[in-house]
Formats: sequence, C-alpha cells, structure tokens
Amino acid sequence: QSALTQPASVSGSPGQSITISCTGTSSDVGTYNYVSWYQQHPGKAPKLMIYDVTKRPSGVSNRFSGSKSGNTASLTISGLQPEDEADYYCSSYTSSSTLWVFGGGTKLTVL
Amino acid sequence: VQLVESGGGLVQPGGSLRLSCAASGFTFSNYWMSWVRQAPGKGLEWVANINQDGSEKNYVDSVKGRFTISRDNAKNSLYVQMNSLRGEDTAVYYCAREYGNSGRDYWGQGTLVTVSS
Repeated sequence: QSALTQPASVSGSPGQSITISCTGTSSDVGTYNYVSWYQQHPGKAPKLMIYDVTKRPSGVSNRFSGSKSGNTASLTISGLQPEDEADYYCSSYTSSSTLWVFGGGTKLTVL
Repeated sequence: VQLVESGGGLVQPGGSLRLSCAASGFTFSNYWMSWVRQAPGKGLEWVANINQDGSEKNYVDSVKGRFTISRDNAKNSLYVQMNSLRGEDTAVYYCAREYGNSGRDYWGQGTLVTVSS
C-alpha cells in the first residue's frame, strides 16, 4: 500500500480538463510544499511535470498545473491531448524515516 | 543531462548485484542523487539518496542494512551495492538527479533487476 493515495484511473476527452488527487497526511503533503508530479509513458522513465506543489519545469506545457489544500495535492491537466495519456505519480517529502513517498499512480485515459 | 544505468540482471535470492549510473551533461558533484525502483506493473518507490560528497546517505526502511549507495565524483558515477537480495527487490531501478527537496528532475532509462531462483 502506497503512502500517498491516488485514484487508480481517470479519463477525459480531448480538450477537456481533468484533476488527479493525491492524499497524504500531516507528516508529508500537509506540512511540506515539496510535492512533485511525474508523468510516465509505458516502458519509459518518469518525467517531472510539477515540483514544489505548483511550479513547472522549463519545457512543460502550461496545461499542467498543481495545487494543494490541507493533506491533498492535485494535478490538473487542461485541454487534454492524446499524448497526455500516461501514468501519473505524485511524490512528497515526509518527516518519516522513509524521507520520500510516492502515490500508487493514476492511469489517465484520453478517450 | 544524461543518466545511463547498467548492471541489472538475474540473480538468485540471497545474492548480490551492483548497479551503476553514468552521469553526463551537468556538474555531477553539485547534486544529490537518488535511486528509485519500480516493481513490474507497480508504482514508484524511492530507495536511497546520497549528498554531493557522499557523506550523507538515506535509505528506505526495507533496504537498510542490505543496500549501500555510493558515488565517485571523479568518474561522474553513482552506484548501489545490493546484498541479500529478495524476490520483492525485483524491479526496474532508476537513477535520478535530485532538484533540492523539490523532486527528481532527470531520470535514467532504468535497469531491470530480477531476483529469482
């Protein structure tokens, strides 16, 4: 069981917006603004999409945005495109001995 | 930035394996580095990280005492020595550059470790 909880799957049509939630605790998401999101296509390495809850690395589309409220972080993808279909993982720094935790991943299907 | 892992393969339970990660395109000695693994069909799991000069190392509880992370800044290389391997260590192991506490901004392509008799 992953330390952070994500929905197993979400779906949307091209052009629509979707939001993926990532629920942790006061030991991780709720306390630290070190939440990051990763996109992973099948057979490929993860790619950083969002860091520090809301920041986008250079080269990442502004269709991707992040937010946080309490113990839950969220990734929103607007104007869905077929190439957005992938697995998405959240991650957070934690005060536990593990230091870094990931969510179980969410499979995004673009219908 | 390029990270290239090597050293994966099939190993029997209880065996050992050493993974390597060759880094290029950035000043390797300026960054914390991590190993992250992904079991087949499963999610990501942070395994270990190491600071710039190798003096600070951290591990996930499940590998403490069995895995040792290290680096050679002169060779721009990151390593993980894995001993007493178990079936649950079967995974693709990724080398990743840490971007402060903000996450991992560059990842290698991964190397598969299979622990099986």
